[in-house]
Amino acid sequence: KAGVTQTPRYLIKTRGQQVTLSCSPISGHRSVSWYQQTPGQGLQFLFEYFSETQRNKGNFPGRFSGRQFSNSRSEMNVSTLELGDSALYLCASSLDRGVVEQYFGPGTRLTVT
Amino acid sequence: AQRVTQPEKLLSVFKGAPVELKCNYSYSGSPELFWYVQYSRQRLQLLLRHISRESIKGFTADLNKGETSFHLKKPFAQEEDSAMYYCAIAGNTDKLIFGTGTRLQVFP
Repeated sequence: KAGVTQTPRYLIKTRGQQVTLSCSPISGHRSVSWYQQTPGQGLQFLFEYFSETQRNKGNFPGRFSGRQFSNSRSEMNVSTLELGDSALYLCASSLDRGVVEQYFGPGTRLTVT
Repeated sequence: AQRVTQPEKLLSVFKGAPVELKCNYSYSGSPELFWYVQYSRQRLQLLLRHISRESIKGFTADLNKGETSFHLKKPFAQEEDSAMYYCAIAGNTDKLIFGTGTRLQVFP
């Protein structure tokens, strides 16, 4: 089976812009979670989607949003980018809710200048 | 509040030496506990979870509910064990809470 894929792998944006990141889960996986990884804060949970519905949300401002499509693919959007949003954004998929064995993608490296 | 603490940012040992990566957690309830590993230029991957009680690549981790700890151990470190190790917990909300990670360096 193909692993979790994320596009794009690298992205450079300027402050104030918005960005959309994409995640394709492992085939058959229905739950997708997003994490932000920074050197200072480590891995922080952003949100989780299951059956096209956001089930969990971390402590991030409303500028961070996401969605999940009927094929379980997910996108996350960050509006009005700030310098502090520069990070590696990881997507993880799992077979179902409550099955917390998550499989991670390679991440999208976002740099905000 | 749910929290995972990994007190060591860096742990350096020589090949063949025992390794213990510490993890303490705070959670009101009975969480599931995990160790994830990230080798250089590879994606984050599950190493082991306490519920399965498996030994993976020679690593084991024992859950101590009294001390709320889930330390990762290996009796004889190998150079290929050099990586970033993350302890994580999951409660009834299904989201993973990660520690800040410990970089393990194994010298030849």
